[in-house]
Amino acid sequence: RKEVEQDPGPFNVPEGATVAFNCTYSNSASQSFFWYRQDCRKEPKLLMSVYSSGNEDGRFTAQLNRASQYISLLIRDSKLSDSATYLCVVNTGSARQLTFGSGTQLTVLP
Amino acid sequence: GAGVSQSPSNKVTEKGKDVELRCDPISGHTALYWYRQRLGQGLEFLIYFQGNSAPDKSGLPSDRFSAERTGESVSTLTIQRTQQEDSAVYLCASSLDSSYNEQFFGPGTRLTVL
Repeated sequence: RKEVEQDPGPFNVPEGATVAFNCTYSNSASQSFFWYRQDCRKEPKLLMSVYSSGNEDGRFTAQLNRASQYISLLIRDSKLSDSATYLCVVNTGSARQLTFGSGTQLTVLP
Repeated sequence: GAGVSQSPSNKVTEKGKDVELRCDPISGHTALYWYRQRLGQGLEFLIYFQGNSAPDKSGLPSDRFSAERTGESVSTLTIQRTQQEDSAVYLCASSLDSSYNEQFFGPGTRLTVL
């Protein structure tokens, strides 16, 4: 089993749609969780950290379920500029490294 | 302030040659990471430096790969006797102190081995 698994995608949604991505992680000792965004042929950039109580940043909402070892990202009112690959990232129990999921590709269509 | 910088941005080399990739982390960041990303694939962890501690080399794919970092500054990733399967984007990231903190990525070095 992979340490971090994401929805395979791709997701193609119309502008204005709500879309949700899921991610599961295998190490119950994981402490830190993030969503990164990677545009085509660009480096990953932090979208948001994921906190235990869940957190929201504008149109983006992240949720963490420790019991199920599950993280989600919800994007409301999708914009064309949201088109990218979304990476679920987990600290896998060691302070040394993060493990990146393979990413979910999102295309928002006009 | 300045972000993470990497050089060169692109490198084309012949099979069997050695290459050296450079990363300048954000000033004050003690943690530095190298990743590899093959076309259409996810990020693959290579090596991690934290301050003056021994680096975590657990991700290096073979003994042809090595990396150095002097103190909390520049790091170089060296690939000896390059193979075609080494072709990828090599990404460097730094963070304030550990993987509990956000990692900031450089733009990467696109390596092509002919």
